[in-house]
Amino acid sequence: GAGVSQTPSNKVTEKGKYVELRCDPISGHTALYWYRQSLGQGPEFLIYFQGTGAADDSGLPNDRFFAVRPEGSVSTLKIQRTERGDSAVYLCASSSQGTNTEAFFGQGTRLTVV
Amino acid sequence: AQSVTQPDIHITVSEGASLELRCNYSYGATPYLFWYVQSPGQGLQLLLKYFSGDTLVQGIKGFEAEFKRSQSSFNLRKPSVHWSDAAEYFCAVGAEQAGTALIFGKGTTLSVSS
Repeated sequence: GAGVSQTPSNKVTEKGKYVELRCDPISGHTALYWYRQSLGQGPEFLIYFQGTGAADDSGLPNDRFFAVRPEGSVSTLKIQRTERGDSAVYLCASSSQGTNTEAFFGQGTRLTVV
Repeated sequence: AQSVTQPDIHITVSEGASLELRCNYSYGATPYLFWYVQSPGQGLQLLLKYFSGDTLVQGIKGFEAEFKRSQSSFNLRKPSVHWSDAAEYFCAVGAEQAGTALIFGKGTTLSVSS
């Protein structure tokens, strides 16, 4: 596609439920990043994929968070047993070479846990 | 510790006036520096980046930034602000190494008055 696509754009879920957030990177981009942006904060790194593998997952806050990229393209961020503190905008970015020459960001998924 | 500080949470500038947004960083390696802009409901758009060479870099939409190693700063400037520049601006630092996550500041909200 023309840009990074994230679905859904908004998600409201009840505390304790499971959610999946999807990211479609720019075609051909091998590197994919997930960030989380809380209200009044800048984006914070969660996980980085190079191809199919998670090369760096040091930003995942706890074991309720998990992400996959089985075919090296689309990625899914999965959150189990959601908590109100998980409410944030989840941003996905992709880049062509896995370096920081330029990462292109999607519009984000706004997750609200009630 | 690696960090990015944007001292100004909110700035209001008159349309046509000049703008400077401040950014200071702390980073252990040679920094790659970025400025992003985020409009409401939109993803992050790269304004400009600095890797090496000329310390004054030009970006899109008439923005420029100057890297000052001695001050650990990378301030963003624009000579004449337009109403459409109202948005949130994020400074970020990263490294050349593939997959290195960007560290973002908390952002500066720019309002433009007529």
